Amino acid sequence: GNSVTQMEGPVTLSEEAFLTINCTYTATGYPSLFWYVQYPGEGLQLLLKATKADDKGSNKGFEATYRKETTSFHLEKGSVQVSDSAVYFCALLTGGGNKLTFGTGTQLKVEL
Amino acid sequence: EAGVVQSPRYKIIEKKQPVAFWCNPISGHNTLYWYLQNLGQGPELLIRYENEEAVDDSQLPKDRFSAERLKGVDSTLKIQPAELGDSAVYLCASSPTSGGSNEQFFGPGTRLTVL
Repeated sequence: GNSVTQMEGPVTLSEEAFLTINCTYTATGYPSLFWYVQYPGEGLQLLLKATKADDKGSNKGFEATYRKETTSFHLEKGSVQVSDSAVYFCALLTGGGNKLTFGTGTQLKVEL
Repeated sequence: EAGVVQSPRYKIIEKKQPVAFWCNPISGHNTLYWYLQNLGQGPELLIRYENEEAVDDSQLPKDRFSAERLKGVDSTLKIQPAELGDSAVYLCASSPTSGGSNEQFFGPGTRLTVL
């Protein structure tokens, strides 16, 4: 079956540090890949996506590249801010685009 | 444009009591989803509607859970009776259609606590 594995949190960084959150997946066919972010008390928001191999999704300074050979979609940001503190979910979409499968989420804490 | 609206935001009930959650999707979105999010976990799909038809309810525990979307707009998810293990966040999402890589827009969720 389909599954998504994320690195466990919490990840604690100082402001302006480099961020990597690892995500690997198992899926049949050719899934689309997503990163969602959940700020405290809010719903999930789409952060970025990639729909085919070698695509790079980017938004708000975050980037992730769809790597089919390593079945990975790692999230990166060059310089994090306190406002980036949230829970980040990696997800894949298969089944004709009908079913999102999420990872367990990685909590990011950014300190001054 | 208004987002997905859910109510209530928080609900505390005694076990064996019934509970209902309401969702109003983004206007014009034909597809509506209910997800369950346990603490420290990612959301898991319970049911998906295309307009008023439930097209994927394979993960919905039908002995105690039910859902409806009578006019293809608002939806209600019900649990009767609630059990301690139902304590979680219930998320509603909508998308213009399903298929392809259509983005799903999520509501803030209803946090249920069963005592």
